Amino acid sequence: GENVEQHPSTLSVQEGDSAVIKCTYSDSASNYFPWYKQELGKRPQLIIDIRSNVGEKKDQRIAVTLNKTAKHFSLHITETQPEDSAVYFCAASVRGGATNKLIFGTGTLLAVQP
Amino acid sequence: EAGVAQSPRYKIIEKRQSVAFWCNPISGHATLYWYQQILGQGPKLLIQFQNNGVVDDSQLPKDRFSAERLKGVDSTLKIQPAKLEDSAVYLCASSLVGLAGLGLHEQYFGPGTRLTVT
Repeated sequence: GENVEQHPSTLSVQEGDSAVIKCTYSDSASNYFPWYKQELGKRPQLIIDIRSNVGEKKDQRIAVTLNKTAKHFSLHITETQPEDSAVYFCAASVRGGATNKLIFGTGTLLAVQP
Repeated sequence: EAGVAQSPRYKIIEKRQSVAFWCNPISGHATLYWYQQILGQGPKLLIQFQNNGVVDDSQLPKDRFSAERLKGVDSTLKIQPAKLEDSAVYLCASSLVGLAGLGLHEQYFGPGTRLTVT
């Protein structure tokens, strides 16, 4: 079946450094790729997304890149801050019956050390 | 705008008991999702509604789980009887639309209900 693999499972960086999280997907028809940030005990919050008709999208310190040929996409966080510490989930859309649905990766625990 | 509301926030029950969760999506959002998030994993879709109709319940354990969205707004998810492996956070999410061919609009999550089955 469809799946999304996410790496690494944990990532520790120094404040100010960059962090990169990578995901691969299996369904070549996937066309929507959101990233969610989930702080401990809180709801997942959408931080950025990208659609298959673009290769890169930026929003301040956050960027996402998409390689459709290789079926992988990545989250880049620059100038990391302690408040970036959280679990980050990638997801990819797949066709499910009459509509699309999201398949989530297993998450990356990002720890930004001050 | 108000976000997705869920209740209760926490629930502890014994195995074989039943439990129900409630979700109120963002006003105007036609699509509603129920996810199960087991500790250390990503959310897994259980069921998706478009207005008051089910469009995907392929991952719902139908022998014990049921869900409804009678008037196309609020939704309830029920587990009867509960098993130990049902311990998880149950997340409700909503989006404007989610029809194939129209793209997948952003999903907004509620705070979740943390269920512990003992």
